[in-house]
Parts: sequence; C-alpha cells; structure tokens
Amino acid sequence: EAGVVQSPRYKIIEKKQPVAFWCNPISGHNTLYWYLQNLGQGPELLIRYENEEAVDDSQLPKDRFSAERLKGVDSTLKIQPAELGDSAVYLCASSLGGSNTGELFFGEGSRLTVL
Amino acid sequence: EDQVTQSPEALRLQEGESSSLNCSYTVSGLRGLFWYRQDPGKGPEFLFTLYSAGEEKEKERLKATLTKKESFLHITAPKPEDSATYLCAVQDRSGSARQLTFGSGTQLTVLP
Repeated sequence: EAGVVQSPRYKIIEKKQPVAFWCNPISGHNTLYWYLQNLGQGPELLIRYENEEAVDDSQLPKDRFSAERLKGVDSTLKIQPAELGDSAVYLCASSLGGSNTGELFFGEGSRLTVL
Repeated sequence: EDQVTQSPEALRLQEGESSSLNCSYTVSGLRGLFWYRQDPGKGPEFLFTLYSAGEEKEKERLKATLTKKESFLHITAPKPEDSATYLCAVQDRSGSARQLTFGSGTQLTVLP
C-alpha cells in the first residue's frame, strides 16, 4: 500500500515568490493534515481537513498561506508571497479518523528554503 | 495551553547500553499520548499510543510507559538502527479533538 506522497521534496525560492506543495494521502483516509516543522522542533499543525472541509485552520497564517482539498483527496498548500521565516519542512499526514485519531501517517515532507 | 517537554535533547549510547527518554506533559485532560520515531529527511513514524496512567506498550527493544504527568520510552540493548529522533505528542480531551501537540524530540544516537 502506498504511503502519503508529497511533492516537491525540495524547493528553493527567493523571498516574495509564490510556492505550492502537493499531497496525496493514503487511500481511504478521510482526515488530512498539514504540519510545519522547523529544525530541531516538533511538527506544528497548520490545517486539518475532514474530507473536503477545513475543520481546524486556526494556526494557518491566512494572510499568505492558503490550502485546498478538492474532492476530499489530494491537497495543495500555497504560500504567497514567501518570507525568509517560512523556510522549514512542510509535512502532510493522513489518518483514518475514528478512535485512532493520534495515529497519523506522515509523508516525507517538502523542504522549503527561502533566500 | 497544552505543553510537552522532552529530555534529554540529545542522547548518545553505546550499542547494548539501555536508557530511557522522558516526556513531561501538561494538558487539561489527556485523551492520548503518542510516541513517534523520525529518521533524518523523513516524516515521523507512529510507534505507540498510551491512554491512561499505568499503561505500557512494547515493540521490539522499545517500551513506553505512562504516568499522570510524564511518559518514558525505555530502550533496552539498543542497536545502531535505533538511532533517530523520538517525538512525543499529546492529545487533549477538550478543545480541538484531533490536534496533537508535539514535543521537540530527543535525538538518539547509538554507537556500534
């Protein structure tokens, strides 16, 4: 069974440029998460989807970040414009939901470097 | 606000030298505590879920335990392949039902 797939794995951009990350969750997983992980830190939640609905986006900086999950499967996270402080790893995760709500399956992440 | 503190930040062991990693937490009501393993350049990989004080889970050389204030990840006779960052996360019973609060992790290095 394929795991969570993310692309691109690495992205280098100059500040003020836009960037987008794509995530394909595990088949059948209704819940999708985007996390941000800074070096030496644990992941921090940006947004959580239940099917196509964003049910928790309280920590998403909405002035520059946006996300969508069309048809409740794939998801895209966009940053426009990027700032130097956005350099981090962006992790996508999915879960079946229900009682196992803490058992998340993570992708390998997209490492963003903003110059 | 939920808080998770992991110690030590880094730990170097010789192969076969057993030790423990600590995860101290503060939540208004614990729904679950989770341990993950993260290899360099990879996403975290789920290891264990603990729900109540006194509960223990084992997997190969790893055993996780839980009290009302902290959790321990015991590593018995570790091997070099156990080298990774171990992350602890808590889920609060109140508020956003599925949000995990992660600690900063313990970076474990096992030397051959």
